Amino acid sequence: DAKTTQPTSMDCAEGRAANLPCNHSTISGNEYVYWYRQIHSQGPQYIIHGLKNNETNEMASLIITEDRKSSTLILPHATLRDTAVYYCIAIGRGTSYGKLTFGQGTILTVHP
Amino acid sequence: GAGVSQSPRYKVAKRGQDVALRCDPISGHVSLFWYQQALGQGPEFLTYFQNEAQLDKSGLPSDRFFAERPEGSVSTLKIQRTQQEDSAVYLCASSSYRDSNQNYGYTFGSGTRLTVV
Repeated sequence: DAKTTQPTSMDCAEGRAANLPCNHSTISGNEYVYWYRQIHSQGPQYIIHGLKNNETNEMASLIITEDRKSSTLILPHATLRDTAVYYCIAIGRGTSYGKLTFGQGTILTVHP
Repeated sequence: GAGVSQSPRYKVAKRGQDVALRCDPISGHVSLFWYQQALGQGPEFLTYFQNEAQLDKSGLPSDRFFAERPEGSVSTLKIQRTQQEDSAVYLCASSSYRDSNQNYGYTFGSGTRLTVV
């Protein structure tokens, strides 16, 4: 699976959009981009995933560049409860199961 | 149940003691994973079960670590002769998918925090 690179930490004001970048320049054609987050003292929580089209669900939006070398997770109206570590993971389909490689992630702090 | 349940929530073990950590996955979920998370790090894969079969145990750090899922539901991670470097949060995740088209949106438990003193 492709290596991903994320900033160590980011800040965001409550009510504003949080834009979390992820670089995955070596991603291959069959690899999806998955985002998870981990709130303090909890297990990771699945947020969203995509292949090449932009995706949106009730939690977030995922914007993937046309060359698929990078992506951005957007939390449109961040709240204090969105303070967490966010992990960007590239993983290929077509394997018998998915072994997630989490990396260090981005610590997002939402301020009042 | 509604989610993945892990017990105990916290465990303190003396060095050399054996411990057993339990995971109750979501009912009917075929796939079950164990991950280890050291302080300040992301989770790292330990082992994977599809029903009762342990298909991948490549992440288990030593032969002191053993996992089982005898009836394809509840799983137990056992650590023998615990050492200080085993101190970590142990996370369990489950999924209803098992084949190559699975969605990797797994459901994780809250983990067991193991402290070896």
